[in-house]
Amino acid sequence: DGGITQSPKYLFRKEGQNVTLSCEQNLNHDAMYWYRQDPGQGLRLIYYSQIVNDFQKGDIAEGYSVSREKKESFPLTVTSAQKNPTAFYLCASNLGGQNYGYTFGSGTRLTVV
Amino acid sequence: RKEVEQDPGPFNVPEGATVAFNCTYSNSASQSFFWYRQDCRKEPKLLMSVYSSGNEDGRFTAQLNRASQYISLLIRDSKLSDSATYLCVVNKDTGRRALTFGSGTRLQVQP
Repeated sequence: DGGITQSPKYLFRKEGQNVTLSCEQNLNHDAMYWYRQDPGQGLRLIYYSQIVNDFQKGDIAEGYSVSREKKESFPLTVTSAQKNPTAFYLCASNLGGQNYGYTFGSGTRLTVV
Repeated sequence: RKEVEQDPGPFNVPEGATVAFNCTYSNSASQSFFWYRQDCRKEPKLLMSVYSSGNEDGRFTAQLNRASQYISLLIRDSKLSDSATYLCVVNKDTGRRALTFGSGTRLQVQP
C-alpha cells in the first residue's frame, strides 16, 4: 500500500545535538512538507519542497534544515540552533500546490532531555 | 487577526445530535479549503474538501461563504467515533504553495 513513513516514532535529543527525522513516501507525489505541532496548537509550516533539489522556508524555518535529493525522501534536521524543539513533527505530501489535500505520515515526537 | 481562526471548543454533544463548526480566514484570495480530522496524538486525516457550491459526504456537510470569509462543517447524527479535533485548512495565498492550518475545534460526543 502507498503511504508516507516517518521514523523514528519517538526521539530524544540532548541539548546541543543535531537530530534528523526521516520521511519517505511511495505515493509518487511531487510535493512534500514538514509541519510542527505543539500541544493544543495548530500545525506550523517549517519547510516545503515542490520538486526534487528545490525547497522553500515556511513560517518557522529557523533552526531547521532539509534536503530533497530524491522524490521519495524529505529528511528534516533539527539543529542545536532550534531553542525549543520539543514538539510533534508531521511530514506530508501531495501532488503539488495548494489545490490538493495532504497525506500525512504518522509523525515523530521529539523530546529534548 | 489569525490567518485561520477556529473556536477551540470543546463542543460536548450527545449522540445523535447535530453540531456545526465555523472557521474564518483572513486572506480573501484563498482558493482551496479543507476539513481535516485529528485524533488525540495522531496525524491529521483529510475529511473533505470544501467546494464553492457546498458539498456533502454522508453525515458531513461543508459550506463556503466567500463574502464573509468563512467555512463551516455540519455533522448530523453524531456518533461516539466522531469525537476528535477538526482542523480547518486553507491556502494562505497563491504565492506560497502550502496550506495553513487552524488550531482546531475539539468535539466530544457523549453517550
